[in-house]
Amino acid sequence: DTGVSQDPRHKITKRGQNVTFRCDPISEHNRLYWYRQTLGQGPEFLTYFQNEAQLEKSRLLSDRFSAERPKGSFSTLEIQRTEQGDSAMYLCASSSGTSTVGDTQYFGPGTRLTVL
Amino acid sequence: AQTVTQSQPEMSVQEAETVTLSCTYDTSESDYYLFWYKQPPSRQMILVIRQEAYKQQNATENRFSVNFQKAAKSFSLKISDSQLGDAAMYFCAYSTNSGYALNFGKGTSLLVTP
Repeated sequence: DTGVSQDPRHKITKRGQNVTFRCDPISEHNRLYWYRQTLGQGPEFLTYFQNEAQLEKSRLLSDRFSAERPKGSFSTLEIQRTEQGDSAMYLCASSSGTSTVGDTQYFGPGTRLTVL
Repeated sequence: AQTVTQSQPEMSVQEAETVTLSCTYDTSESDYYLFWYKQPPSRQMILVIRQEAYKQQNATENRFSVNFQKAAKSFSLKISDSQLGDAAMYFCAYSTNSGYALNFGKGTSLLVTP
């Protein structure tokens, strides 16, 4: 039983460049979540997918951020025109979706983004 | 606004001793779910314990137990017989019936000394 995987684990980019991260959830988990974690803070919710549908987005998800989950499997998070303030750990989580709400979310190792 | 407060940025415990990490939360929802997650250095976050707010009985998982006080909106984590491997950041979080997002506190860094 493999856990949530994320790729790449580390990304260094220059300001203004576009970056894309990938998340592979636990097999057969139909809910997928993206969070952002900055140093000294807890994770902050970005967005949520139920299968391929993006059902919830945080106000933190500016127009430069876009997330997709084609076919309800893996997900990508793209940041366009990166800014230094985007430097953070981007965490992906998945849950089975067998309960209506409150099911346990399983986290991946994260992608650490550094914007120079 | 919905918030989670972890008032202890750092805690220290000796091996084999017991430590309690505090957490208070603020939500207007009547039904919600509470979680403690552990994030070891440079490793991924894992679930320690989960509590459903409608259940009065405190959740336990081996050496980990919670003291859930719904009226006070308090959800503390007790770690018994502390081990070196318990050293990590511990995050308190909750989710509600009106959304799927986890709302996290800022975390408590637990140091375990031999």
